[in-house]
Amino acid sequence: GAVVSQHPSRVICKSGTSVKIECRSLDFQATTMFWYRQFPKQSLMLMATSNEGSKATYEQGVEKDKFLINHASLTLSTLTVTSAHPEDSSFYICSARDRGENTGELFFGEGSRLTVL
Amino acid sequence: AQTVTQSQPEMSVQEAETVTLSCTYDTSESDYYLFWYKQPPSRQMILVIRQEAYKQQNATENRFSVNFQKAAKSFSLKISDSQLGDAAMYFCAYRNWAGNQFYFGTGTSLTVIP
Repeated sequence: GAVVSQHPSRVICKSGTSVKIECRSLDFQATTMFWYRQFPKQSLMLMATSNEGSKATYEQGVEKDKFLINHASLTLSTLTVTSAHPEDSSFYICSARDRGENTGELFFGEGSRLTVL
Repeated sequence: AQTVTQSQPEMSVQEAETVTLSCTYDTSESDYYLFWYKQPPSRQMILVIRQEAYKQQNATENRFSVNFQKAAKSFSLKISDSQLGDAAMYFCAYRNWAGNQFYFGTGTSLTVIP
């Protein structure tokens, strides 16, 4: 099956710094990638949808200036948490849709656990 | 945003028995996709089963099957012959036809009792 690699899997940073999380589709081209945030024992909350070569579409209530998403190529999307604060600590998951298949399925990265001290 | 609701935060089932997880959704579209994903403690999302809304036949994958009621906007998952490895969080998900919206339900934590 299609593979999505997410890096880093864990990151700890100080409050006020910025953190970048990468999401790569390894064996397919992803025109659309989705970024989710998941709190412990809760569901995946869609943050934004990114399309290659265009601006991301953010869900209501998600600060676009805080969560910068870039989808510069068909295999890479990045999420940058700017000026991170402890309340940004969470599990972030990316997923991608294979433009070459029509099953509708999303392929998920392994997730990134962000801890802001 | 579309809404996906799972009314059972927790469920338990005896090993080898059958359990049904419920899901309802809201959409104004006629064509879309529905999914059930499993999230074990590793947090890696695993696709369990998918259903295209234009198909009347319920999807099945080995021990997993769905009951898709389009008019009622209901999409339940039945797990037969439950195994210990089935214990996980299960999420129902909706994807619109265009593919630019993908929303998850609130999740159901399934415990399998030996």
